[in-house]
Amino acid sequence: EAGVAQSPRYKIIEKRQSVAFWCNPISGHATLYWYQQILGQGPKLLIQFQNNGVVDDSQLPKDRFSAERLKGVDSTLKIQPAKLEDSAVYLCASSLRQGPYNEQFFGPGTRLTVL
Amino acid sequence: GIQVEQSPPDLILQEGANSTLRCNFSDSVNNLQWFHQNPWGQLINLFYIPSGTKQNGRLSATTVATERYSLLYISSSQTTDSGVYFCAVEEYGNKLVFGAGTILRVKS
Repeated sequence: EAGVAQSPRYKIIEKRQSVAFWCNPISGHATLYWYQQILGQGPKLLIQFQNNGVVDDSQLPKDRFSAERLKGVDSTLKIQPAKLEDSAVYLCASSLRQGPYNEQFFGPGTRLTVL
Repeated sequence: GIQVEQSPPDLILQEGANSTLRCNFSDSVNNLQWFHQNPWGQLINLFYIPSGTKQNGRLSATTVATERYSLLYISSSQTTDSGVYFCAVEEYGNKLVFGAGTILRVKS
């Protein structure tokens, strides 16, 4: 079974530029998550989708971040314009909830450096 | 929101040694996961353990949900065990809340 796929793996941009990340979840997983991991910290949830609907985007900086999950499968996360403090690893995860079982699986991440 | 505390923050072991990592959480949780983040940044699932005890090779984990803690045991450590170990608990609504992690270095 293929895992969560993400691209690109690395991205370097200047501040005020825009950038987009792509995620393809594990086949059949209805729930998709985007996390931000700043160096030295644990990942923090940015946004959660259930199929193509947003469940939780309370921690997403909506003035500059946006995300979509068209057709309930793959997803894109965009930052426009980027700030220095956006330098982080952006992790995508997916899960298949079956009753109380809800194990999340993570992709390899995209490491973003904003100069 | 829920607080997740991991200890110790750093750990240095000689190859072959055993270790115990701890995760305390401040409220009732639906689920709990342990991850290993390798030097390339990939989060590897170790255990999905809302309660009870599980074992996988040299690793085992125990969660005592009523007392709000979980333990990860690593026996006969190897250099490939190096990295950061995260505990994450599921809040209501499926969101995972991560601890700050334990950095493990295994020396040969």
